[in-house]
Amino acid sequence: GDSVTQMEGPVTLSEEAFLTINCTYTATGYPSLFWYVQYPGEGLQLLLKATKADDKGSNKGFEATYRKETTSFHLEKGSVQVSDSAVYFCALSAKNNNDMRFGAGTRLTVKP
Amino acid sequence: EAGVVQSPRYKIIEKKQPVAFWCNPISGHNTLYWYRQNLGQGPELLIRYENEEAVDDSQLPKDRFSAERLKGVDSTLKIQPAELGDSAVYLCASSQGGGSYNEQFFGPGTRLTVL
Repeated sequence: GDSVTQMEGPVTLSEEAFLTINCTYTATGYPSLFWYVQYPGEGLQLLLKATKADDKGSNKGFEATYRKETTSFHLEKGSVQVSDSAVYFCALSAKNNNDMRFGAGTRLTVKP
Repeated sequence: EAGVVQSPRYKIIEKKQPVAFWCNPISGHNTLYWYRQNLGQGPELLIRYENEEAVDDSQLPKDRFSAERLKGVDSTLKIQPAELGDSAVYLCASSQGGGSYNEQFFGPGTRLTVL
């Protein structure tokens, strides 16, 4: 079945460092891909999404590109801030329904 | 606009006891989801509703779990009896439709601890 594998954490970076969190997927057909973020004590929030190959999702300085050839959707940010500390989840959903399949999550801690 | 509301936020019970979680989706959202999130893992879908109809409950352990959405608005998820392995965060989400283009909005979750 469809599944998502993402980089294990935790990840600890200094403020203004470059961030990459790897995500690869397995799916039949061409799913939509998502990154969700969960800040401490809060629910999951959609960070960005891409619905077809070569699409780039972006929000709050984060970017991810839908790569069909490598079945990947890596999350990047050029300069992280302390406020980016959270757990990040990569997810996919098939086109014919909206049943999300989530990765295990990657905890990011940014230190000043 | 209010987000997805869940209650209670925390629940501690002893095994074999019943427990229920309540979710009120965003107004106008006809699709409602229940997920379970085990510690250190991503959420896993338990059941999806389109209005009052459960259209995907294949992952719901039906021997002890039940859910309802009688009027197609708010929903209740019940566990009876609870087991130690049911300790997790139970998340509710809603969206305007069931297609993959429709963003799911998540509630804060109910953290269940079974002793």
